[in-house]
Amino acid sequence: AQSVTQLDSQVPVFEEAPVELRCNYSSSVSVYLFWYVQYPNQGLQLLLKYLSGSTLVESINGFEAEFNKSQTSFHLRKPSVHISDTAEYFCAVSDRRTGGGNKLTFGTGTQLKVEL
Amino acid sequence: DAGVIQSPRHEVTEMGQEVTLRCKPISGHDYLFWYRQTMMRGLELLIYFNNNVPIDDSGMPEDRFSAKMPNASFSTLKIQPSEPRDSAVYFCASSGYGQPQHFGDGTRLSIL
Repeated sequence: AQSVTQLDSQVPVFEEAPVELRCNYSSSVSVYLFWYVQYPNQGLQLLLKYLSGSTLVESINGFEAEFNKSQTSFHLRKPSVHISDTAEYFCAVSDRRTGGGNKLTFGTGTQLKVEL
Repeated sequence: DAGVIQSPRHEVTEMGQEVTLRCKPISGHDYLFWYRQTMMRGLELLIYFNNNVPIDDSGMPEDRFSAKMPNASFSTLKIQPSEPRDSAVYFCASSGYGQPQHFGDGTRLSIL
């Protein structure tokens, strides 16, 4: 079984400032890792994923996350946030043995609020 | 390419009524998932299907909840009888093998 911990329920930040959203996971097996973003009144959208290869993965809108196996972390970062980044962010893991796209275990989410 | 389509987007009904939520997955995806999202409990996986067969329904809260997938392009989640504590946003998601899940926009359910 896996579990995901997102310690920060809310992160306020000023526009153009850097931000880090923390995610730690626990698993007895190898996992795939994901970040999803949820805008108000919408479903979750995949932001980025780590399946294999380079431990640093990037999204098209400037977010990046680094898989750290020794620390069992997959923190999400952006060097300069915009108002439009205001949303809830969910970290998730899945068991590699089941193919990666299957049963996800989600964290409780972090509400990112970008202020002027 | 159309995404995951859920209907209705909003449902308000009285306690005791039957509620049916519908989902059309992305064509070609062979996994389908039903989730429930509330402030108190966050995002919970209720049940998921592979090739129309239920694989894990351990998240279904009670016998009042049932889910079916009669074919590859349609699934329903039914609550009968509904209760106020069932009020939540229900999401459907689909994926191919080894691929990330794609979510619908959800059904916001209010039981009065």
